[in-house]
Amino acid sequence: DTEVTQTPKHLVMGMTNKKSLKCEQHMGHRAMYWYKQKAKKPPELMFVYSYEKLSINESVPSRFSPECPNSSLLNLHLHALQPEDSALYLCASSFAADTPGELFFGEGSRLTVL
Amino acid sequence: AQSVTQPDIHITVSEGASLELRCNYSYGATPYLFWYVQSPGQGLQLLLKYFSGDTLVQGIKGFEAEFKRSQSSFNLRKPSVHWSDAAEYFCAVGLKAAGNKLTFGGGTRVLVKP
Repeated sequence: DTEVTQTPKHLVMGMTNKKSLKCEQHMGHRAMYWYKQKAKKPPELMFVYSYEKLSINESVPSRFSPECPNSSLLNLHLHALQPEDSALYLCASSFAADTPGELFFGEGSRLTVL
Repeated sequence: AQSVTQPDIHITVSEGASLELRCNYSYGATPYLFWYVQSPGQGLQLLLKYFSGDTLVQGIKGFEAEFKRSQSSFNLRKPSVHWSDAAEYFCAVGLKAAGNKLTFGGGTRVLVKP
């Protein structure tokens, strides 16, 4: 099994809503990532969890709250988002936790904030 | 400043013709180098990677890339393009000192003419 599964695939939310994006991998990978991708742009790193601990936070606004309940799951909790937060949110995982390695990406959750 | 540059925003190529995508980086040390492909509405998939050793690297889907230290380049090539190669291609760079954080280039969109 070499998949990273993300749910939901599409999400529409208002600026006062609270929602969550979920990501799951069963490859035994030690690191998991959240990226944000706007149209026609490269992915931008948001958070990295290594061994279930937050290791990188790229100065992301607090309205985005990551959570890593266990080594296979990664959530991104969303609250009081702005329309400019509309984007494709990509989850990824890698076996390597402290050196650059191959990232395995999910298909993404497309978020629209109204 | 450290950076990854893909000089070509988009390239149009005829089916069956050869393809070369350029990637240049500016880092003090030899980085870990990757090429990813993203089809519309999908996540990213690794095509190939270079860490050390032979500077000509073979990847999936008939792609290869060559690391040239003197030119700080890692260009991607394919001898004969198929219509299914139409996608966005991202070069990515990592440094061991930066842990498992990758920096992506701006991407090159490839269009394939029949």
